[in-house]
Amino acid sequence: DGGITQSPKYLFRKEGQNVTLSCEQNLNHDAMYWYRQDPGQGLRLIYYSQIVNDFQKGDIAEGYSVSREKKESFPLTVTSAQKNPTAFYLCASSIGYEAFFGQGTRLTVV
Amino acid sequence: AQTVTQSQPEMSVQEAETVTLSCTYDTSESDYYLFWYKQPPSRQMILVIRQEAYKQQNATENRFSVNFQKAAKSFSLKISDSQLGDAAMYFCAVGGGSQGNLIFGKGTKLSVKP
Repeated sequence: DGGITQSPKYLFRKEGQNVTLSCEQNLNHDAMYWYRQDPGQGLRLIYYSQIVNDFQKGDIAEGYSVSREKKESFPLTVTSAQKNPTAFYLCASSIGYEAFFGQGTRLTVV
Repeated sequence: AQTVTQSQPEMSVQEAETVTLSCTYDTSESDYYLFWYKQPPSRQMILVIRQEAYKQQNATENRFSVNFQKAAKSFSLKISDSQLGDAAMYFCAVGGGSQGNLIFGKGTKLSVKP
C-alpha cells in the first residue's frame, strides 16, 4: 500500500538530548513537509523540501534540522536548542497542494 | 501571507442532523485551493473535501459539501446526516504559492450526540 510512515509513534527525550523522527513515503511525491501540532494551535510548518538535497525553513524552524538525501525520506531532528519540544509531529507529502499525512509522532520531554 | 480562521472551537450536533463548520481565509494568491481535513482521536489527518478556487461550483463528497463564497473568502463545511464516526477535529486549510504547503486554521472540535 502506498503511504507515509512515521516512526516511532511515541518518543521520549531527556533534557539536552537530540532525537530524530523518521518519515518515509512511497508515493513518489517530490514535496515533503514537517508540521508541529500543539493543542489549540492547529498545524504549524517546521521545514519543507520540494526536491532531493534541498529544503527550506518554515514558520517555526528554530531548534529543528532536517535532511533530504533520498526522495523517499525526510527525517526531522529535534535538537537541544528547541526549548519546548513536547508536541505532536506530523509529516506530509504532497502532489499539487493536496497533502497526505503520516500517523504522527508524539514527542515528550522527560 | 495566508491566514485561516475557524471561529468555532467546538460544535455539537445530534446524530442524523446537519451541522455547518465555518472557515474564513485570506490569501494574496490568485490560484489557490481550499481543504477540509478531519482528525479523529487516532490523530490521523484525513482529507474530507477539496475546492479549487477557480471553480464556481461547490464541491460535494457524499454527506459532505462546502459553501464556497470567494468574494467573502468564506469556505464552510456542511455535514449532513451526521454519524457518530464524524466526531473529530476538523481543520480548514488553504494552499497556494511557491512553497506548496498548506496553512491551517486552529480547528473545530465536533461532537456527535446519539
